[in-house]
Amino acid sequence: NAGVTQTPKFRVLKTGQSMTLLCAQDMNHEYMYWYRQDPGMGLRLIHYSVGEGTTAKGEVPDGYNVSRLKKQNFLLGLESAAPSQTSVYFCASNLPAGTATYGYTFGSGTRLTVV
Amino acid sequence: DQQVKQNSPSLSVQEGRISILNCDYTNSMFDYFLWYKKYPAEGPTFLISISSIKDKNEDGRFTVFLNKSAKHLSLHIVPSQPGDSAVYFCAAFYSSASKIIFGSGTRLSIRP
Repeated sequence: NAGVTQTPKFRVLKTGQSMTLLCAQDMNHEYMYWYRQDPGMGLRLIHYSVGEGTTAKGEVPDGYNVSRLKKQNFLLGLESAAPSQTSVYFCASNLPAGTATYGYTFGSGTRLTVV
Repeated sequence: DQQVKQNSPSLSVQEGRISILNCDYTNSMFDYFLWYKKYPAEGPTFLISISSIKDKNEDGRFTVFLNKSAKHLSLHIVPSQPGDSAVYFCAAFYSSASKIIFGSGTRLSIRP
């Protein structure tokens, strides 16, 4: 049981380049989330999805797009990378509301550097 | 506007003693409060939670206390062990929003 898998684990981009981060979960979870972690800022929500084919904006959505074409996958896209997007990105998944007592399951993160 | 605040970025505690991590929140609509633990190069892992209708939840060495009138919660670790050295995130959840709000984290270091 792999849980939540993120690819790639590391990436260096040049300003203006694009890329897609992939998150895959094998727990049949309905809800999926993308967070970024920056020093002193904690975990900030970028986008989330409450089911296949649905997405919603989080706290810091600008510069990112997402897609949830399949229940098990949640993609995060950067169309034109900027140095301000240098961060560690975490994907998480969860069962629907009402099971929050058990929290999210997180992936191990993607460290992205934009130069 | 930070809805969940951890005002201590770091904490150092001697092995065997009690570690107390604090967290404040502003939104009275939160249904659950959670603590996550994070080691370097790993994702956060769920540690313990408490419902907004309770004031204490205990799981082994970990106890979370909730003071709703003060909008304050704390995590107690007794006794502290070297493996407890990590970053701890306080988090809060309200079901109508379907998402968890995280604090900025506290780095706990357990010294010999």
